[in-house]
Amino acid sequence: AQSVTQLGSHVSVSEGALVLLRCNYSSSVPPYLFWYVQYPNQGLQLLLKYTSAATLVKGINGFEAEFKKSETSFHLTKPSAHMSDAAEYFCAAYSGGGADGLTFGKGTHLIIQP
Amino acid sequence: GAGVSQSPSNKVTEKGKDVELRCDPISGHTALYWYRQSLGQGLEFLIYFQGNSAPDKSGLPSDRFSAERTGGSVSTLTIQRTQQEDSAVYLCASRRAGRYYNSPLHFGNGTRLTVT
Repeated sequence: AQSVTQLGSHVSVSEGALVLLRCNYSSSVPPYLFWYVQYPNQGLQLLLKYTSAATLVKGINGFEAEFKKSETSFHLTKPSAHMSDAAEYFCAAYSGGGADGLTFGKGTHLIIQP
Repeated sequence: GAGVSQSPSNKVTEKGKDVELRCDPISGHTALYWYRQSLGQGLEFLIYFQGNSAPDKSGLPSDRFSAERTGGSVSTLTIQRTQQEDSAVYLCASRRAGRYYNSPLHFGNGTRLTVT
């Protein structure tokens, strides 16, 4: 079974600074990749998804992610952090099949310092 | 359009009681998942339904947990004889499946269960 690793359970950045949240997958076959955001007391909301059409994927709220097969990575970035970006972020990979094919990382809590 | 709906949004119950959590997925979504999220933790997979196939129950933590999906739509997660460690947020998600390999999950807002 594949795994998804998110480096850093907590990431703190200053408002206006670059946001970088790391995600690596283990599958030898590139899976379908997703980033989700979870605001307090809400479910998960899709930020963006990799569909193999382009390696740089743009999502909502100014976020983007770059798929790098050689590094088996799908890191999430945003050039300038806003206070409203404070939330939990989850990377997920789907490689087909049933529930076994869908794997979530453990999440990264993004803290924005004023 | 309507998203995934979960009810109740909050449930407080006494230890030993049974609870039922409901999930109404997006119309046309054949795949339905239940996850559990404990305080400060990631997502714990519980059960997966796909169309008329037998559900994947591999994530259910004990035989006190069960789930059903009627008519390929609404799903109910039942927890019998609740314990304090069952306190968590229970999230339901649905997605188009089959040939829609890259279709994302759509999540409800969850049910926050507190066992006292």
